[in-house]
Amino acid sequence: DQQVKQNSPSLSVQEGRISILNCDYTNSMFDYFLWYKKYPAEGPTFLISISSIKDKNEDGRFTVFLNKSAKHLSLHIVPSQPGDSAVYFCAASAAAAQKLVFGQGTRLTINP
Amino acid sequence: ETGVTQTPRHLVMGMTNKKSLKCEQHLGHNAMYWYKQSAKKPLELMFVYNFKEQTENNSVPSRFSPECPNSSHLFLHLHTLQPEDSALYLCASSLIGDYEQYFGPGTRLTVT
Repeated sequence: DQQVKQNSPSLSVQEGRISILNCDYTNSMFDYFLWYKKYPAEGPTFLISISSIKDKNEDGRFTVFLNKSAKHLSLHIVPSQPGDSAVYFCAASAAAAQKLVFGQGTRLTINP
Repeated sequence: ETGVTQTPRHLVMGMTNKKSLKCEQHLGHNAMYWYKQSAKKPLELMFVYNFKEQTENNSVPSRFSPECPNSSHLFLHLHTLQPEDSALYLCASSLIGDYEQYFGPGTRLTVT
């Protein structure tokens, strides 16, 4: 049973527009959520995170929104740039546990 | 070297071979992790080490044997693997208590 799901395997967005990546989770014990970005031949790189006591966290062009009642989070990238083309992973953790549970990833392509 | 390094980057081994994967972190962290990413599957946590003591074994078969001689180095010893063990093996590190984990580039393992 997959506790963290990214239902869109891929997403294509025009440069300059907004990219929205979605993630759903089933475990109500999750209290911390992270987004990672992965380029080919590299490991995942931490991008942004949010605690369950917040519903929004912003860092430059990246904003993560958390809707606890819907068990849904999203990552907004605006404006999208060609360098944002990568695979994005959503991850969740419960009670300061070191066990991160990852989604399958969404491949984002930014078109010029 | 900076960040988290892994060697080798690519490895092809037969089912009767014995090989080892190496990970080193240069971030001053005290927790280290092994993850497995199989094709079209999410990253799966395999092992967690805190201050070089194993604290999590996520039901990993005994043909995978981790070793953590100190907080900066982590090994994964492999023996009598199966073709289905072919995957990307990622090492990560963090400070105990922090959710953010920092990943190495991974070892792409092929078992023939």
